[in-house]
Amino acid sequence: EAGVAQSPRYKIIEKRQSVAFWCNPISGHATLYWYQQILGQGPKLLIQFQNNGVVDDSQLPKDRFSAERLKGVDSTLKIQPAKLEDSAVYLCASSQGSSYNEQFFGPGTRLTVL
Amino acid sequence: QKEVEQNSGPLSVPEGAIASLNCTYSDRVSQSFFWYRQYSGKSPELIMSIYSNGDKEDGRFTAQLNKASQYVSLLIRDSQPSDSATYLCAVITGANNLFFGTGTRLTVIP
Repeated sequence: EAGVAQSPRYKIIEKRQSVAFWCNPISGHATLYWYQQILGQGPKLLIQFQNNGVVDDSQLPKDRFSAERLKGVDSTLKIQPAKLEDSAVYLCASSQGSSYNEQFFGPGTRLTVL
Repeated sequence: QKEVEQNSGPLSVPEGAIASLNCTYSDRVSQSFFWYRQYSGKSPELIMSIYSNGDKEDGRFTAQLNKASQYVSLLIRDSQPSDSATYLCAVITGANNLFFGTGTRLTVIP
């Protein structure tokens, strides 16, 4: 069974530029999560989708971050415009049900904002 | 006050010893607790979940939960160099939000 796929794996941009990350969850997994993990910290949940609906986006900085999962399968996370403090690893995870207990993480995208 | 707090370490133990990792949480009505292991440059992987007071054992790992004192711990018996990683504690609060601690870096010395 293929795992969670993410691309790109690495991205370097300058502040005020835009960037997008892509995630393809494990086949059949209805729930998809995006996390931000800043160096030295634990992951912070940004948004949770159940199929193509948003379950929780309470920690998503909506002035610059947006995410979509139009067909209930893959998802994109966008930052526009990026700030220096957005430098982090962006992790995507998926689970078959809605339980955090079952989630599997992708390899992550490391973003550096200069 | 942070939702989940962990000592960042580093915690060093000799090979074969017991490693003890601790975590406290602030929301008294939290119900679900998890321990993840994260190797350097890799993604987190779930190693234990616990929901009830007491101990839960899985191989060399034991999770302990004390809701009255609002702490959860992870014991690793017979520590191996391959256990060297950052261990993340995660808690689902009463509002059904998931929060991770900052992690404790464990080094097992051969």
